[in-house]
Amino acid sequence: EAGVVQSPRYKIIEKKQPVAFWCNPISGHNTLYWYRQNLGQGPELLIRYENEEAVDDSQLPKDRFSAERLKGVDSTLKIQPAELGDSAVYLCASSSGSAAEQYFGPGTRLTVT
Amino acid sequence: AQSVAQPEDQVNVAEGNPLTVKCTYSVSGNPYLFWYVQYPNRGLQFLLKYITGDNLVKGSYGFEAEFNKSQTSFHLKKPSALVSDSALYFCAVRDIGSARQLTFGSGTQLTVLP
Repeated sequence: EAGVVQSPRYKIIEKKQPVAFWCNPISGHNTLYWYRQNLGQGPELLIRYENEEAVDDSQLPKDRFSAERLKGVDSTLKIQPAELGDSAVYLCASSSGSAAEQYFGPGTRLTVT
Repeated sequence: AQSVAQPEDQVNVAEGNPLTVKCTYSVSGNPYLFWYVQYPNRGLQFLLKYITGDNLVKGSYGFEAEFNKSQTSFHLKKPSALVSDSALYFCAVRDIGSARQLTFGSGTQLTVLP
């Protein structure tokens, strides 16, 4: 089966510019997660969707970050405007239930200059 | 609150020797526990999980982990290490009774020396 797909794989932007990341989860997985992974650290959850509903966005910096999951499948994470501290790898994951393991995409490495 | 500690940033082991990557956790209730592996420029790959039942869990690529409730540990083990096992390993926990999702440790870099 196809895994979690993310694009782009790499993105370099100047600070104050907008950026968007796209994720296509594994077919049939109703739970989708966006994580941020800083260098040398474990992933930290930004937002979790159950179908099209954002059920946990407590760690999402809402002043500049936004996300959507239209039709409960693909998802987009946006940053506007980007700051230097946003440089990180943004990981998307999906799972089929709350006790199930999460399957991760390859991530998008964002560099803000 | 839930948390995970991986006390070793780096573990080195000779090929063919047994390996252990340590993980301890803290939850207020009962835990779901996971191990993931990350290769350079790749996402995390699931290795194994403990939900309930047998304390010894077997996973992918010959890895296993032992759940020890009294020591709140979930160490990852493999009887004979391969050079290809060299990667970054993450332990993660979730409190079953909580709405919170996974909390990851900071990772342990495993290097298997030929």
